[in-house]
Amino acid sequence: DQQVKQNSPSLSVQEGRISILNCDYTNSMFDYFLWYKKYPAEGPTFLISISSIKDKNEDGRFTVFLNKSAKHLSLHIVPSQPGDSAVYFCAASVYSGGSNYKLTFGKGTLLTVNP
Amino acid sequence: EAQVTQNPRYLITVTGKKLTVTCSQNMNHEYMSWYRQDPGLGLRQIYYSMNVEVTDKGDVPEGYKVSRKEKRNFPLILESPSPNQTSLYFCASSLGSGLTDTQYFGPGTRLTVL
Repeated sequence: DQQVKQNSPSLSVQEGRISILNCDYTNSMFDYFLWYKKYPAEGPTFLISISSIKDKNEDGRFTVFLNKSAKHLSLHIVPSQPGDSAVYFCAASVYSGGSNYKLTFGKGTLLTVNP
Repeated sequence: EAQVTQNPRYLITVTGKKLTVTCSQNMNHEYMSWYRQDPGLGLRQIYYSMNVEVTDKGDVPEGYKVSRKEKRNFPLILESPSPNQTSLYFCASSLGSGLTDTQYFGPGTRLTVL
């Protein structure tokens, strides 16, 4: 059972416009949410995160919104640039005992930003 | 430069021939993990290690072994590879497994088992 869902396998956006990547989750115990970005032939790299006690976190062109009641988060990229073209993974962290947390990833969304 | 390295980057092998994928990090991280990425399935955790000599199964551990004899190294061992282990593998490390501990990923190893 997939606890973190990215229902759009791909998204295509024009340069300069807004990109909105969506993520839904089923486990209400998730405490922390992250977005990772992955270029071809490279490993995922951390992009931005948000705690479950917040509803928004912004870092430059990237903003993550969290709607806990809907169990939904989204990543907004404004303005989108061709260099943003990558696979974006949504991930969520849940307490797993002691001082440890387990990370669960979604399937990823391929973003293509067209010049 | 802080990094996670994996070797080899690409490997084609045959069913049943034992292989090891090495992973090393130079950040003195306690937590290390292996993931596999498959089309339509995203990243799934295979094994993880909280510290030296402490390892545990992730979500898809069948057919894999790991060891953590030194803090910096976390090799992934396939004793008898099968075609369903054809995948893209990532090693990752983080300071710990706390709530905000960010995982740093290696560049990946693309494995094909014929």
